[in-house]
This record gives sequence, structure tokens and C-alpha cells, in this order.
Amino acid sequence: AQTVTQSQPEMSVQEAETVTLSCTYDTSESDYYLFWYKQPPSRQMILVIRQEAYKQQNATENRFSVNFQKAAKSFSLKISDSQLGDAAMYFCAYRSHRLGGAQKLVFGQGTRLTINP
Amino acid sequence: DTGVSQNPRHKITKRGQNVTFRCDPISEHNRLYWYRQTLGQGPEFLTYFQNEAQLEKSRLLSDRFSAERPKGSFSTLEIQRTEQGDSAMYLCASSPPGLGTEAFFGQGTRLTVV
Repeated sequence: AQTVTQSQPEMSVQEAETVTLSCTYDTSESDYYLFWYKQPPSRQMILVIRQEAYKQQNATENRFSVNFQKAAKSFSLKISDSQLGDAAMYFCAYRSHRLGGAQKLVFGQGTRLTINP
Repeated sequence: DTGVSQNPRHKITKRGQNVTFRCDPISEHNRLYWYRQTLGQGPEFLTYFQNEAQLEKSRLLSDRFSAERPKGSFSTLEIQRTEQGDSAMYLCASSPPGLGTEAFFGQGTRLTVV
């Protein structure tokens, strides 16, 4: 079974600074997807960024980028120019690429990100 | 279409009572998922529907839990004889056909069993 581990329960950063959230995962599969989801307080979870394991290039979405290290099974999220609206719980998630599977997400424990003004 | 809708948003029930939650997915999304999230933890998979067929259930889903998706549209999750350990946020998500497609989440139903 796949597992996802986020070793930083809480992180804080000054507004406009850069912060990196860590995520490691364990799988025996060679093809899969990785995601970072953001869950603001009392609001629904939204997708921040996704990475296909077969792609060597790291995904980027505006101020959000990832450092995907397949051999090390590491998938960190970098947030540049942090904004107050970035404050939320961030979850790293894994999804198998296996055909016929449920395509369910396996989540890490989450990292609570605080932005200091 | 404004996204995945879940009702009620909050539910307080006495131990031993039955509760039912509803999820309305995004139109054209054939996949529907239920997850459970306890405080300070990531969501855990409960069950999965493709259209009206329930194709996978987690071992977390005891026989007190039942889910349906009649006609492949909305879904309901029922918990019978609730226990205090059932207190959690129940999240619904839907996704369109295809591999690796984005899952869209609802705001969840927070259940408190007293």
C-alpha cells in the first residue's frame, strides 16, 4: 500500500518570503500522480499543483512550484512571494496511475502554514 | 454548476442515532468519492463510485456505514448506530473520466456524536 508522509506539522513564513513544504511517499509503482492540495479554514480543499511521475520536469503554477525527486520519493512544494491568502493546511497526496483502479487519493497528515504580516 | 455540494454542513447527533449525508457532484463527473477527515489529519478514503456502481470500499467502512449513488447522480452516506468515534468531517469529491484527472471537493459535513 502507498503511504504519504509530511514531517512538518506546522510552518510559518513572513509575507513575501519563500517557504518550502516537505513530502515523502512510499510506493512500488513506477507510474503515478502527485498532488498538493490546499485546505483553508472552513473551506473546501482545492488543488494547488500536480505532477505526473513520468515527467522529469518539475511542475509550476504561478508562485507555486514543486521539486520532484522520483528516486528519493520526495515531492516538496515551494511557495514564492507568500501572501496572507496562502495561509491554510496543505496536503500532499498520491494517486496511482493503474488502469482500472479507483483513482483514490492517499493523503499525508498535512502541514499548517501560517503567514506572518 | 458551482461545484460539489454537501448537505448538511454540520450535524450533531446522539450516540446510537442514524445519520445520512448527501453529496451532489459536479455534472458530468462519473467518479464520486467519500473521505473521512479527523482533526489534524489528512482525509482517509472510504468508498468510490463510478457512475452508480460502488467499486471500492475501505476497511474503514464498517458494516454500520452504507453508501449509495442511485442513477449515478447524487450520493448518500448513512451511518447507523453512531458512535463517538464517528465524529469527523466527511468529505465528498468528484472527478471526470480519465486518468489523473483533478478531484474536486465539497466543503464537507462535520459530524459530532454526543
